[in-house]
Order: sequence, then C-alpha cells, then structure tokens
Amino acid sequence: DAGITQSPRHKVTETGTPVTLRCHQTENHRYMYWYRQDPGHGLRLIHYSYGVKDTDKGEVSDGYSVSRSKTEDFLLTLESATSSQTSVYFCAISGTSGRDTQYFGPGTRLTVL
Amino acid sequence: AQKITQTQPGMFVQEKEAVTLDCTYDTSDPSYGLFWYKQPSSGEMIFLIYQGSYDQQNATEGRYSLNFQKARKSANLVISASQLGDSAMYFCAMRRNTDKLIFGTGTRLQVFP
Repeated sequence: DAGITQSPRHKVTETGTPVTLRCHQTENHRYMYWYRQDPGHGLRLIHYSYGVKDTDKGEVSDGYSVSRSKTEDFLLTLESATSSQTSVYFCAISGTSGRDTQYFGPGTRLTVL
Repeated sequence: AQKITQTQPGMFVQEKEAVTLDCTYDTSDPSYGLFWYKQPSSGEMIFLIYQGSYDQQNATEGRYSLNFQKARKSANLVISASQLGDSAMYFCAMRRNTDKLIFGTGTRLQVFP
C-alpha cells in the first residue's frame, strides 16, 4: 500500500472558521491531489500539485487554497469554512508521471456546522 | 466535454456469480487511461485495474477484468466469482491526456449469499 496519511481523520468545525487538512506521503511521489467526495457527485478534484511550490486548480477550487513546501506534505486550507464544504476529503498521490495510477489516502470527514 | 457515466446506481449479484459494472466515457483525446476503484463501507479508495487507450488487450487483475470497447467508448468492469467482500461502491475514472482524473458517480454492488 502507498504510504499516505491524512490528518485529521475527522473534524467538526463552525461556519467561518479556518480549517487546514494535511496530506503526508512517504513515497517521494511528485504529484499530489485533493478531492472531495459528495453523494451523487463521485470524487471531484479541488487542487493538485506537480512539484514543490507548483500547484494548480481543479474543477471545484473556489473557497480552497493549497500549499506544498516540501515533497511529502500537501496542505488544503479552507480560509472560512461554509456548510457547503461539509464533505469527505481525499488526498491522492501519483508517481514520476502524472499519468501514473493515483493512490488514495484514507480520507478526512469534515463537518461544518 | 470530458465525461464519465455510470448508469447503474445499484447492482445485486449472488455469491460466486459474475457481474458487470458499466462505464461509458466521452473524450476527444486519442490518449487516455481508464481506471476502476473500489470503495468499501470503511471508506478507503482502492485501485483495482487500469486500461490505456492504446492497449491492445483488455486488462485483467485476478478476478477483475476490464471489457474495453474503444469504438463504443465503454470500459466495463467484470468481477468473476463474486465474494461477499466485493460488496462496495465502484468508481470508474478517466485520465485524459493530462494528469487529472474524472470520476463517475459510482455503482453500489451488493453481493448476497
């Protein structure tokens, strides 16, 4: 199994508060991704990174920012959480080429009240 | 528009029988990849099988095979000899000529004794 961890695994927060989710990998993979999973939508890409300090937006990036200061860590920040951001968040990694298979972390369940 | 469609929200199959989960895709890119992931009730996303658009043969991985019909733009997952542990959500995904995945909405498979 790919060495991917996410923290926290569960979080409950209130509307308007900032939230940061962390993805950590031990595989030294170049590509990292953040997805959200909602009923009826499958998984949708929020942001991704193709190297340290190199990031780009996915299809549902509004309200989210990311940072990657070192290869192993990819942070997802909700600057001011809203109830519509209640979701399960998955981090994924892929190898030297973005065309490699993506392997997923265990997920973080975020509830915004 | 790039799109993945899974038309079966739920499927039932008896243990030891084979089952086919449907997936159709839409892309104008000549180079793309197709993936299937399994999500059991515990929530993790597990990679099952990959098919490249230029692959001449259908992919197989143990009890999983991918029925790839390029002209029809379909990439159905076939699970042979179903087991109770196969009960899960199954997601089809497509990677276009980039590093991003697009997911279908999933099919919930239930295997009964």
